[in-house]
This record gives sequence, structure tokens and C-alpha cells, in this order.
Amino acid sequence: NAGVTQTPKFQVLKTGQSMTLQCAQDMNHNSMYWYRQDPGMGLRLIYYSASEGTTDKGEVPNGYNVSRLNKREFSLRLESAAPSQTSVYFCASSITPGGRTEAFFGQGTRLTVV
Amino acid sequence: RKEVEQDPGPFNVPEGATVAFNCTYSNSASQSFFWYRQDCRKEPKLLMSVYSSGNEDGRFTAQLNRASQYISLLIRDSKLSDSATYLCVVGGSGTYKYIFGTGTRLKVLA
Repeated sequence: NAGVTQTPKFQVLKTGQSMTLQCAQDMNHNSMYWYRQDPGMGLRLIYYSASEGTTDKGEVPNGYNVSRLNKREFSLRLESAAPSQTSVYFCASSITPGGRTEAFFGQGTRLTVV
Repeated sequence: RKEVEQDPGPFNVPEGATVAFNCTYSNSASQSFFWYRQDCRKEPKLLMSVYSSGNEDGRFTAQLNRASQYISLLIRDSKLSDSATYLCVVGGSGTYKYIFGTGTRLKVLA
């Protein structure tokens, strides 16, 4: 069972470059999420998609955009990377929205912006 | 005040010891509670959901106290492999998201 798959696993960008982080889940989940994790900060929600066709801002959306391409895929785009976006990014999914059921996480993308 | 607060630790305990972690949450409307385990540089993985009546899974016991707004995790007979960071997660308060604590680090020593 693949679960939640993220690509790439590692990435180094130069300031100002753009990139898209890909996420796909094969569990037929309705809701998908993008988090970033920084030391001492815990996981912070960037964007989420309660269901196919909807996206909403989370706690730290500035500098990011998302696309819910279909039920399986939810991508995160950095249009102009900044060093402050150096972080570990996790995609997650859950069968229902609202945080009522457990979330499943991808393996993470370690992004460094230089 | 943080929405979900945990003691960051580290808790250093010998093998075989019993250790307990607490987590407090601020939103009384929260409906879902979870403990996740996160190994170094890995993704969080669900350890167990926490139910109102409390629940047990092998060596792990979780409790919820809605009146005092805290949840707890008890680990009995600690193993070296239990060394990890334990994340308290709260959800279901009406927003489309989970709220994560910053985690409690556990080191089980041989």
C-alpha cells in the first residue's frame, strides 16, 4: 500500500526559483493538507483541501499556492522561493474533513533555499 | 497561549520503565484527539486515537480529560525502539484542520 506519496524527497533551490511539490494518495481520501515543520515550531498548516475542487488557506499560506488536481493529487507551488521557506514539507490526507479522523502523512520533502 | 501544549522533554528513561506524557489543549470545542509518533527526519505516524473512555493498545494507554482539557499517553515497559518524538494532535473543532503540539522527545536508555 503506497498511502501518501510525495515527490521530490529532497530539493535545493536558489532564492527566486520556483518549484512544485507533488502529492498523491491512493486511499480515496476526501481531504488533503500541506504542512511545514520547522525546529521548535511543530507542524503548521499551509493550505488544505476539504474535498475535491476546494482549497483554503491555513496558518502560513504566504508565498505558496496549491492545486487540487483531482481527488488523488494535491500540489504545492513556491512561485519565488525565499530562504525562510527552508523547511520540511509534509503532505497528508484524511477520509473526512474537519480533523475528525486520523491523518496519514507522506514521507516529506526536505527543501533548502539558498 | 498555544492551542496545544506539550513538555518538549527530553524524557530519558531506562528500558522497562513506565513513562507518561501530558498534553493540554485550549479549544473546548475540540472533538478528536490523537497521539502520533515521529522518528527523526521521518513523517508522523498515528500511534493511537484517544477516546473519551480512554483506550489501550498493548503497552500504550491514552486518556482524555475533557473537564481539564488534557490528554495523556502512558507507555509501560519502555523499549529502546520507543525512542522518538510523540506528537499530541487535536482536531474536529469546526475548522478544517488539526492542531499539532510541538512534541515530547523520549529517549529510552539501555
